[in-house]
Amino acid sequence: AQSVTQPDIHITVSEGASLELRCNYSYGATPYLFWYVQSPGQGLQLLLKYFSGDTLVQGIKGFEAEFKRSQSSFNLRKPSVHWSDAAEYFCAVAINAGNMLTFGGGTRLMVKP
Amino acid sequence: GAVVSQHPSRVICKSGTSVKIECRSLDFQATTMFWYRQFPKQSLMLMATSNEGSKATYEQGVEKDKFLINHASLTLSTLTVTSAHPEDSSFYICSAPRQGGDGYTFGSGTRLTVV
Repeated sequence: AQSVTQPDIHITVSEGASLELRCNYSYGATPYLFWYVQSPGQGLQLLLKYFSGDTLVQGIKGFEAEFKRSQSSFNLRKPSVHWSDAAEYFCAVAINAGNMLTFGGGTRLMVKP
Repeated sequence: GAVVSQHPSRVICKSGTSVKIECRSLDFQATTMFWYRQFPKQSLMLMATSNEGSKATYEQGVEKDKFLINHASLTLSTLTVTSAHPEDSSFYICSAPRQGGDGYTFGSGTRLTVV
């Protein structure tokens, strides 16, 4: 079965600083990869996804992620964080389109003014 | 397109009562619906998978007699928490695969509080 690890439970960055959230997965083949953001008490919003092709994917809100097969990673990045980016971020994988999603434990991002 | 409407968004119920949560696919046919549970400050864990017209598949450790799932039509899947207890208080969220394999659509979630 696939698994997802987000090594950082909490991250605090200053507004305007760059951000990288780590995600590692365990699966024999290349899974479908997703990043979601969740604000307190809210549902999930898709930031970006990777199925195949270009390993650097662009998402909404200025986020991007890079798939690295050799490292089984799909790290999320943003060059300049805004205070409104403070939220919980989840990496998720599915072995095929339409299969269940397996979520990482999440990373809580706090942004300092 | 591809919207899943989840209701209610919040519900408070007394211990021992039952609560029904509905997820409707508004503009597509959802043959499959995934039901997740999220405890405070934790991640989403899959509870069960429902398929239209067949019995739901439950994940290990999830009581199927307590969490009743019905997927009687292509646009409606329901989760009923029977004889709810305070430990069932959680955020429940449904998700359907998008047609064409383009990802997933999530409901907005239901915050259940059992008192």
